[in-house]
Amino acid sequence: QLQLQESGPGLVKPSETLSLTCTVSGGSISSSHYYWGWIRQAPGKGLEWIGNIHYSGSTHYNASLKSRVTISVDTSKNQFSLRLTSATAADTAVYYCARLHQLVSSPSYFLIWGRGTLVAVSA
Amino acid sequence: IVLTQSPGTLSLSAGERATLSCRASHSITSRYLAWYQQKPGQAPRLLIYHTSNRATGIPDRFSGSGSETDFILTISRLEPEDFAVYYCQQYHTSPALTFGGGTKVEVK
Repeated sequence: QLQLQESGPGLVKPSETLSLTCTVSGGSISSSHYYWGWIRQAPGKGLEWIGNIHYSGSTHYNASLKSRVTISVDTSKNQFSLRLTSATAADTAVYYCARLHQLVSSPSYFLIWGRGTLVAVSA
Repeated sequence: IVLTQSPGTLSLSAGERATLSCRASHSITSRYLAWYQQKPGQAPRLLIYHTSNRATGIPDRFSGSGSETDFILTISRLEPEDFAVYYCQQYHTSPALTFGGGTKVEVK
């Protein structure tokens, strides 16, 4: 059974870089049938899509975050990662990684989710 | 595409029918719309994809419908475990994806 697990610092200082890793177990990240993505949820708020990556390295980002976001994949470790630069308090959220179904060579809906990890941006 | 969900909160009793709305700012002609359920402290769970297809293991009391700009999630008879927050998500404009703001279904 496929599982995803987020990991990374729970506290980041303002202006620093928020970095998280998602480890995939029970399946290969190198499947051509799926995309892998990041979503976040600020406390008491709704879901915000951050971006996706295919194991081939193809990426897509939310336009509102594009200038600060990088998603990368490490197939040798069965992991993909998120980097968000110049963090502010507005980036405080639970960050989820997820596997997306691929539809006509594009990402679509989120099939399997990690449990999420809370990252606070504070001095 | 901006997705607007209504109402923000729905107060109902177990056994009642719940009707949740998701309105799109532009037509989703593909009907590429999904619904998720999120309980407190948990990750969202996929309920419905392609407007009306139930995901694996989802009870048949959950159904989705709609077209163009208006989509509906219906829970035919609320069970105690159905009280949660529900989100719609469009992938018509994939690779750009968007979520609605959510509807909370609470106990009346």
